This record gives sequence, C-alpha cells and structure tokens, in this order.
Amino acid sequence: AQSVAQPEDQVNVAEGNPLTVKCTYSVSGNPYLFWYVQYPNRGLQFLLKYITGDNLVKGSYGFEAEFNKSQTSFHLKKPSALVSDSALYFCAVRDIGGNTPLVFGKGTRLSVIA
Amino acid sequence: GAVVSQHPSRVICKSGTSVKIECRSLDFQATTMFWYRQFPKQSLMLMATSNEGSKATYEQGVEKDKFLINHASLTLSTLTVTSAHPEDSSFYICSARKGPSTDTQYFGPGTRLTVL
Repeated sequence: AQSVAQPEDQVNVAEGNPLTVKCTYSVSGNPYLFWYVQYPNRGLQFLLKYITGDNLVKGSYGFEAEFNKSQTSFHLKKPSALVSDSALYFCAVRDIGGNTPLVFGKGTRLSVIA
Repeated sequence: GAVVSQHPSRVICKSGTSVKIECRSLDFQATTMFWYRQFPKQSLMLMATSNEGSKATYEQGVEKDKFLINHASLTLSTLTVTSAHPEDSSFYICSARKGPSTDTQYFGPGTRLTVL
C-alpha cells in the first residue's frame, strides 16, 4: 500500500524568506511524486512532479522539490516566499505500474506573512 | 497545461433529490477519470476511478448505488449523487489523466454540494 505523510499542518514564513513544506512517502516499488496547491474553494493546481531522472525538480511559480530516495522524502521548497504563495499544499504519490490513483497527504497550510 | 472543468460549481438541493455533476477534459482525451471528496480542512478522499467505456472501480466504503459514475466518452464523466442527504454535503473534485500512470492528473475546480 502507498501512503504519504505531511508532518506539518501549518507552516508560517515571512515574505522573502525561504520556505520548505515537508513530505515523506511509502510505496512498495518506485514512486511517482507530485505536489499540488489548492486555493480556497478551488480545485487543485499541479505544481511539479518527479518521475525519474534528476532528483531536483523545478515547477511552477518558482517552486522546486528534491527527491531523496534514502530518506523517502520529497520536500517542496522555494527560495523566496511571496504572500500570494499562501495556500494549502498537497503532496501525492503513486506507485509505478498499473492504473493506480494518486494518494494524497493531509495537506499543509502555508501562510506567508508580509 | 491541461484543463478540466466541472459543472455546476455550486449546487444546493433538498434532501431526497438527485444531483448530477459533470466533469470534462477540455483540451485532451482522458482515458481515466477520478472522483474525490474533500471535507472541510481535510485531504482528498478518492471515491472511484473510471475508465472510458467501462464500469467505475469504487473505493472501499463508497456506495456505488448512491454515487453513480458514468464515463461515457474520453472527455466526459458524470457523478450522480442519488437520494442525497445532508451528510452528502461536501466538496467534490474530479480529476483526469491522459494515459499511463506516468501522466499528470489534472483537477477540476470542484463542486460544492449542499443538501438541505
């Protein structure tokens, strides 16, 4: 079975500071990993994904994430946070192979303070 | 990026009535579509997976007779909540994927269902 853990319910960061949203995963095989962002009363917007290749993945809006196989982590990062980055962030994983759906973490609310 | 639409965005209905929610992939053909339910301040809970032309696969605990899913074409899936009750009130989000599991899932904007 696959699962995702987002250990922080809430992350607060000052505007202009770097931000990190943590994610660890568990799959039986190799993972496909995704980050999505959700604004209030909206669906999810795709940020970035890791399938294979370079462990550092760059995505939309200046976000990036680093795949660490030994630590089974896929933390989301941004060098300089903006107030407009404030939203709910979801990490998701899917096991390679088959028609398996994404499994989501519980979400982390990011608040960027001006 | 790929665009997924949902209609309606918000619906209020009386208890006992049925509500249909449409999900469309606007600029790609979706071999697989997913329906999720999200409770306030919680994560997305997968309800069912559907492939075009075949029956949906429901997750454990999801009543297939209550939540009817039809994936009639490569661009349209519908979720019908039958005999809705107040506890069915939730945010329903659909998602679509072009092809194999390496593809990204794109999400619709969601439908807020309120059952009075």
